Amino acid sequence: QVQLVESGGGLVKPGGSLRLSCAASGFTFSDYYMSWIRQAPGKGLEWVSYISSSSSYTNYADSVKGRFTISRDNAKNSLYLQMNSLRAEDTAVYYCARSIAVAGTDDYWGQGTLVTVSS
Amino acid sequence: DIVMTQTPLSSPVTLGQPASISCRSSQSLVHSDGNTYLSWLQQRPGQPPRLLIYKISNRFSGVPDRFSGSGAGTDFTLKISRVEAEDVGVYYCTQATQFPYTFGQGTKLEIK
Repeated sequence: QVQLVESGGGLVKPGGSLRLSCAASGFTFSDYYMSWIRQAPGKGLEWVSYISSSSSYTNYADSVKGRFTISRDNAKNSLYLQMNSLRAEDTAVYYCARSIAVAGTDDYWGQGTLVTVSS
Repeated sequence: DIVMTQTPLSSPVTLGQPASISCRSSQSLVHSDGNTYLSWLQQRPGQPPRLLIYKISNRFSGVPDRFSGSGAGTDFTLKISRVEAEDVGVYYCTQATQFPYTFGQGTKLEIK
């Protein structure tokens, strides 16, 4: 069955960096686009970033552009999100999700990893 | 950015009764390829979001048939024919027609 397991979250000071990982299993990872979506505590969902299956295409929300970098390693079935220059407003649960381009949706989501940016 | 507006934001429903959630987009969600990339997600308390409906009305694998989606252009609806206790949670509409992908504010479904 499809499994997505995020890791790498934690407490970081403003201006700091963190790298999130998402380990995928149960499907052919290299066939799928992938996304990161976040959810601030008690708030709604915010799309963060998107990467094509071959890494040739990426896209970012304006709120993270220039600070976050999405990447993937198809040999390791893993998705990453490098987060630099973190701000308090980046505090959220970060979900990775499998994207189905032809359906225009994310069909499977991980459990999420909490990132807290605070001094 | 496309703004997604859901109504109501809270919906108390009696078990066994129907429920309906509306979602309106600030511009048409019809993509240049002819598809409309409007999806509905369910987030139960303490859980990650789960896909219910994609491309307006396509039920995802394993989703009970009491859930249905409809609409076109800028106006969309999620209907639950008979609410069950396990349906409690927050429901989001989301669009993937245009970057940045955006979500509605969420509608909290609770039992009366």
